[in-house]
Amino acid sequence: DTAVSQTPKYLVTQMGNDKSIKCEQNLGHDTMYWYKQDSKKFLKIMFSYNNKELIINETVPNRFSPKSPDKAHLNLHINSLELGDSAVYFCASSHYGQGANYGYTFGSGTRLTVV
Amino acid sequence: DQQVKQNSPSLSVQEGRISILNCDYTNSMFDYFLWYKKYPAEGPTFLISISSIKDKNEDGRFTVFLNKSAKHLSLHIVPSQPGDSAVYFCAASVEGGSEKLVFGKGMKLTVNP
Repeated sequence: DTAVSQTPKYLVTQMGNDKSIKCEQNLGHDTMYWYKQDSKKFLKIMFSYNNKELIINETVPNRFSPKSPDKAHLNLHINSLELGDSAVYFCASSHYGQGANYGYTFGSGTRLTVV
Repeated sequence: DQQVKQNSPSLSVQEGRISILNCDYTNSMFDYFLWYKKYPAEGPTFLISISSIKDKNEDGRFTVFLNKSAKHLSLHIVPSQPGDSAVYFCAASVEGGSEKLVFGKGMKLTVNP
């Protein structure tokens, strides 16, 4: 009965590889997000999709490409992984128009380690 | 440029006492302020929020106070319980700003039995 689920939970990979993180929500929300928590513990938004349409695209390298096949899924593909990509990536969801004041529901995170 | 700042990295209190977590912000356009709680290996969980038109919002043991002139908000937990031990994030948003939340770097609260 997990509300926002991410897979995998842990990911260790070598520099230069391409990897994907998947996210699914069963809350009936129409907006999904990817946040990155770096080594300094800041949570920063990367992307947001509303009904499969991109609405937020922060200053993120082109190696990161989100894909939303439907409003319940938002995947993150990362090409040519670099050491600096090591972080915890959180997926989240909300009803559009309510996220800013009622908050999002977050997944448990994917810890990516690039070696 | 940190728009939301949590300047104290940690706080330790005794069970039953009050915990006060502080947060400062720089962007006067923020309309909503939120607090999230995070346990290790879990995602942040929404705790409580406040609109910029209010100065206080209460939910059970949790109360958030907003001082717009000082660009400061605080979360009060009374009484504190050991289960409250977690990292607390302050966040802020602009209404109509594409639902983006701007987070502080978090503060670790430890409640000792």
